[in-house]
Amino acid sequence: DQQVKQNSPSLSVQEGRISILNCDYTNSMFDYFLWYKKYPAEGPTFLISISSIKDKNEDGRFTVFLNKSAKHLSLHIVPSQPGDSAVYFCAASEISTASKLTFGTGTRLQVTL
Amino acid sequence: DSGVTQTPKHLITATGQRVTLRCSPRSGDLSVYWYQQSLDQGLQFLIQYYNGEERAKGNILERFSAQQFPDLHSELNLSSLELGDSALYFCASSPEGVLNTIYFGEGSWLTVV
Repeated sequence: DQQVKQNSPSLSVQEGRISILNCDYTNSMFDYFLWYKKYPAEGPTFLISISSIKDKNEDGRFTVFLNKSAKHLSLHIVPSQPGDSAVYFCAASEISTASKLTFGTGTRLQVTL
Repeated sequence: DSGVTQTPKHLITATGQRVTLRCSPRSGDLSVYWYQQSLDQGLQFLIQYYNGEERAKGNILERFSAQQFPDLHSELNLSSLELGDSALYFCASSPEGVLNTIYFGEGSWLTVV
C-alpha cells in the first residue's frame, strides 16, 4: 500500500522555466512533509519541508505548497537550473512519531539547456 | 558530504549468505535509521535506533536485524539472503531537536546472485 505517491516518474523542463513536482498521500495522519533531492551515487539530501499548519513554505528558488483537503503537495522550482537535475523524493511523517518517514517513489527531473 | 558513513559501498553475495552493513552517524547524532530502496521503489523505512535502543520498526523482515553500539555506530545484518534482497540500503542519522530532518549516507549497494 503506497501511502505516498509520485505519479510522474520523470519530468523534463527547460532551463529558466518552472519545474513542478507533484506528490499525493493517502494517510490523513501525516502532518509533516518533506522533499529530498538525490544525485546519482549520493544519498538523498533534505531540500525543504512543510507542516500541516501551513499551506506554503518558501526557500529561495524552492517553494512547497500543501493542499490538505486534496492530500496533495507540490514542489515548485523557479527558475530551474541544470544543477537541479536529480531525483526528487516526497516524504511524509506524523509529528507525533517524529521518526518514520514514508517516501514516494521519486520523480527524475531533467533540466535542459 | 552528509557526515554519515556507510561501508561497504558495494557488495555482491550469493543467495543464502549473510552480510553486515555498517553505518557511522554524524558526530553527535543519537538517532540512526535504516532504509531500503529496491528497484523502482521509494525508500522503505526499516528500523530506527536511538542511543542504543530500538525506537521504531518498519517493514523489516525477520531475516534482518540491526543494532546500535555504545559508540553509536550501527550495523544492519541481513541473513538467508534472497535475490529480492538486492537493493540500495541507506543509513541516516538525525540531530537532537531537529524535527524530522535526517541526513543520509551514500548507501550500500547489495547484489544477491
